[in-house]
Amino acid sequence: QVQLQESGPGLVKPSGTLSLTCGVSGGSVSTDNWWGWVRQPPGKGLEWIGEIYHIGSTNYNPSLKSRVSLSVDKSKNQFSLELTSVTAADTAVYYCARYKVTPPYFDSWGRGTLVTVSS
Amino acid sequence: DIVMTQSPLSLRVSPGEPASISCRSSRSLLNTNGYNYLDWYLQKPGQSPQLLIYLGSSRASGVPDRFRGSGSGTDFTLKITRVGAEDVGVYYCMQSLQTPYAFGQGTKLEIK
Repeated sequence: QVQLQESGPGLVKPSGTLSLTCGVSGGSVSTDNWWGWVRQPPGKGLEWIGEIYHIGSTNYNPSLKSRVSLSVDKSKNQFSLELTSVTAADTAVYYCARYKVTPPYFDSWGRGTLVTVSS
Repeated sequence: DIVMTQSPLSLRVSPGEPASISCRSSRSLLNTNGYNYLDWYLQKPGQSPQLLIYLGSSRASGVPDRFRGSGSGTDFTLKITRVGAEDVGVYYCMQSLQTPYAFGQGTKLEIK
């Protein structure tokens, strides 16, 4: 069973860059799956951020597209999220998750990490 | 972008009673392969979301058969035939027919 673990700073200053990494264990990022990020502002619902395939193909939510970048590091078996020019509206729990291709669904999720944007 | 709309946004159900959640999409989720790209997730308090139903009506491994997904096109329903205390949390539908994937607003289920 693959396990995912988010890591990164819990506090980011406004206008700064949010950077998170998702470590993958029990499986390889170099498989026929997409690796994604979902966020959840405190007390609110889920928002899909984007996904990356191990060869580097990406899909992003247009609402964040100009500020978000995903990357994958096969040597470390991890993938990462960068979100630039953050504001308080980006305060959320950030989840990484594996999206299976066939059948298509999110089958494994990290525990989530709270990132607060504040000075 | 496809917009997902759930109703109701909250439910209070007595143990053993049924519950039903509706999910509507702004366009058909029926793929050319004949499958509806609609999933249901449950987020229990303090936990990450967990998959309940995929492709509209297929139960994920380990999910009790009291959870039933149905519907096609733009209208979908999640039914719980007999609600238990362990079912409390927020239920989300999600479309994965096309990016950006989109979740419904969530339906909070509480026990009376």
